[in-house]
Amino acid sequence: AQKVTQAQTEISVVEKEDVTLDCVYETRDTTYYLFWYKQPPSGELVFLIRRNSFDEQNEISGRYSWNFQKSTSSFNFTITASQVVDSAVYFCALSEAGGTTDSWGKLQFGAGTQVVVTP
Amino acid sequence: DAGVIQSPRHEVTEMGQEVTLRCKPISGHDYLFWYRQTMMRGLELLIYFNNNVPIDDSGMPEDRFSAKMPNASFSTLKIQPSEPRDSAVYFCASSRRSGVTIYTFGSGTRLTVV
Repeated sequence: AQKVTQAQTEISVVEKEDVTLDCVYETRDTTYYLFWYKQPPSGELVFLIRRNSFDEQNEISGRYSWNFQKSTSSFNFTITASQVVDSAVYFCALSEAGGTTDSWGKLQFGAGTQVVVTP
Repeated sequence: DAGVIQSPRHEVTEMGQEVTLRCKPISGHDYLFWYRQTMMRGLELLIYFNNNVPIDDSGMPEDRFSAKMPNASFSTLKIQPSEPRDSAVYFCASSRRSGVTIYTFGSGTRLTVV
């Protein structure tokens, strides 16, 4: 069974500080996808990033970066130079890319981390 | 691309009434998912379809909940009879297995049962 743990319930920072969100996952599949979604106060779920299990290269996209480490089953996400508009709940999610229709596709979410950025 | 379209955005109903939530997935996506979000349980998968066929409905809380996908462009989630504990935000999402896998979510339906 797949499981995603986001141990941080809430993180409060002052604008321009960096924010790192932790995510630890469990899966029996060797092929899977990891995601980060953002849910602003308006309520929609916004896709941020996606990573394949076979690609551990860490990247930076604008103010976002991520650190994927299979050895520790972690997929951490960093917002650099935070802004007030970054205030939202951030969800880490996992989907197993199994070979059969029955096992593919379930997107398991973590509990979410509330990020509060104050001016 | 209009994205995943859900209706209504808000629904307030009385306990015991039937509620129907609607979803139009992105054209070309062969997977459709229904999620429910509550403070207590977070985001939980209720049911998902592949090529209009239900694959896994183990997340459906009880027989009062049912979902259908009569064609590739439309799905419904029905609650009958509704109860106050069904109050939540219900999200529909669609995806495709081929190419780059990204789950696109609709704006959600906020359901309040009084």
